[in-house]
Amino acid sequence: DAGVIQSPRHEVTEMGQEVTLRCKPISGHNSLFWYRQTMMRGLELLIYFNNNVPIDDSGMPEDRFSAKMPNASFSTLKIQPSEPRDSAVYFCASSNRRGVQFFGPGTRLTVL
Amino acid sequence: DQQVKQNSPSLSVQEGRISILNCDYTNSMFDYFLWYKKYPAEGPTFLISISSIKDKNEDGRFTVFLNKSAKHLSLHIVPSQPGDSAVYFCAARANYGGSQGNLIFGKGTKLSVKP
Repeated sequence: DAGVIQSPRHEVTEMGQEVTLRCKPISGHNSLFWYRQTMMRGLELLIYFNNNVPIDDSGMPEDRFSAKMPNASFSTLKIQPSEPRDSAVYFCASSNRRGVQFFGPGTRLTVL
Repeated sequence: DQQVKQNSPSLSVQEGRISILNCDYTNSMFDYFLWYKKYPAEGPTFLISISSIKDKNEDGRFTVFLNKSAKHLSLHIVPSQPGDSAVYFCAARANYGGSQGNLIFGKGTKLSVKP
């Protein structure tokens, strides 16, 4: 089992640029979650999908953030335009019907 | 307002002794609780869970205790090993009409096990 796959692992970009983070959930899992981790706020849920449908996006900080899940095996989190305060580690997780979430290795984003 | 609180940001324990990590919650709708372990530069990994209908769940060196009346759970690691040094997150899930909700995470406790 490959686990949750995220790419890229590291991203350094300049303020104002578009950033796209990618996630491949574990096959057979029906829910997918995007989190952001910072020192100040800990692990925050940004958005989650059930069966490819967005269920709760109340954690998305502002309109600069958007997420899509076009099919059961792929999701993207996009930030446009990016700002220095978006610098954080972004995690994707997927879960089975039992509810245990399995996390990817994360993408460390640095916006200069 | 934090629904899941881990009030100790760090804990240091001697190898071989017991580590006790604590977690408090406020939402009485939580029905499922989990502990995750996180090493630097890795994603959190699932460790152990407990349903609200139980008060104890054990898996090897790890035991989770749930006190519903106090809205408190704890993770016991016995005996502690240096490889247990990591950040431990407590998480809880609310059951709203049977639908699977998201997890609410605490801010984590950094455990250091000294040889």
